[in-house]
Amino acid sequence: NAGVTQTPKFRILKIGQSMTLQCTQDMNHNYMYWYRQDPGMGLKLIYYSVGAGITDKGEVPNGYNVSRSTTEDFPLRLELAAPSQTSVYFCASRLNQEQPQHFGDGTRLSIL
Amino acid sequence: AQSVTQLDSHVSVSEGTPVLLRCNYSSSYSPSLFWYVQHPNKGLQLLLKYTSAATLVKGINGFEAEFKKSETSFHLTKPSAHMSDAAEYFCVVTLNTGGFKTIFGAGTRLFVKA
Repeated sequence: NAGVTQTPKFRILKIGQSMTLQCTQDMNHNYMYWYRQDPGMGLKLIYYSVGAGITDKGEVPNGYNVSRSTTEDFPLRLELAAPSQTSVYFCASRLNQEQPQHFGDGTRLSIL
Repeated sequence: AQSVTQLDSHVSVSEGTPVLLRCNYSSSYSPSLFWYVQHPNKGLQLLLKYTSAATLVKGINGFEAEFKKSETSFHLTKPSAHMSDAAEYFCVVTLNTGGFKTIFGAGTRLFVKA
């Protein structure tokens, strides 16, 4: 199993550009999550999904969108990149809500 | 209100000495508790978990944690620190409040001196 795979690993965007951060998992997990981690801080939940076709907002959803058309994939979309979105983004998945989350290695995003 | 508090933002130990990273939670619900480690430029890796079985939980790399319900604590320990233990550690709580809620601690940075 590859676990949770995130692409790209690094990206630099200009203000106003858009991009999609990809996340895929091969563990057949129902639950998937997107977090952002700012320097020296813990993780903040952006969006989550409890299964294909179902998504919901987390703590900091503004400026982001997600979709969950398959169990495996949970892409995160930035429509109009802003400097405040410079961060490290982590995708995670788990089988059910009592089990630990499995994390990808992150996408380091800078917006200039 | 539910919360997770990691009492130390930074901990510094010498190689070969014990490690103690402290975590307290606040909730009236029964928790599932986890410790994760994050090495530089990496994602979070599960160290150990407590899900209502034995209160002393053993994890990977020689770490263990003890759930103390009376103190609402889940401190992480290791008898002898190794240089490779230098990393960020996160205490995480999942609560069944009718729906499930996951709360991350702010993290503790562990420094290991040679």
